[in-house]
Amino acid sequence: EEQLVESGGGLVQPGGSLRLSCAVSGFTFSKYWMHWVRQGPGKGLVWVSRINPDGRDTAYADPVKGRFTISRDNTRNTLFLQMNSLRADDTAVYYCVKDLGGLFDNWGQGTLVTVSS
Amino acid sequence: QSVVTQPPSASGTPGQRVTISCSGSSSNIGSNLVVWYQQLPGTAPKFLIYHDNQRPSGVPDRFSGSKSGTSASLAISGLQSEDEADYYCATWDDSLNGYVFGPGTKVTVL
Repeated sequence: EEQLVESGGGLVQPGGSLRLSCAVSGFTFSKYWMHWVRQGPGKGLVWVSRINPDGRDTAYADPVKGRFTISRDNTRNTLFLQMNSLRADDTAVYYCVKDLGGLFDNWGQGTLVTVSS
Repeated sequence: QSVVTQPPSASGTPGQRVTISCSGSSSNIGSNLVVWYQQLPGTAPKFLIYHDNQRPSGVPDRFSGSKSGTSASLAISGLQSEDEADYYCATWDDSLNGYVFGPGTKVTVL
């Protein structure tokens, strides 16, 4: 069974940093594009970032460009999201998502990031 | 504000047919495949329709998708109480070089 388990969320002050992790199992991690998607409280889904299988090709949504960095460790089957200069509007549940050819076929349970003083 | 639009809400009585529209542009829906996601309350989303109109195994045939030009739609026929959820259309946007979700449509079963 495929599993994606996020961790690393929590309460952080504005301007602070946080690193999210997503441990995957049940599929060959190194073969798939991976994404982060977030959902603010009571709001819709917003794509954040993606990374290709070997980690060399990344893309970001405009609101997080220059502040967030996506990476992966294929030897540890883990996806990361380094978040710097956090703002209140970054408050959201962050989902780790597996990409099956342009569709997000498996989602983690999400990890909550709260940016507040 | 999303580059893809959806109505904020839709409703129907049990057994009725409900249709959700998703409108975009040539850089997203007009040139890329559309996926529909269902998010039940308190859960992570799951994909419902992919490649514009394909239904994965396990999804009831009450759900169907279509696309024409820069618009797509999701139809739920024979509406059931368990269909109460938020529904999102999504696709890649070539201009933004990013994945875009619609704002979501909340379906209520009256």
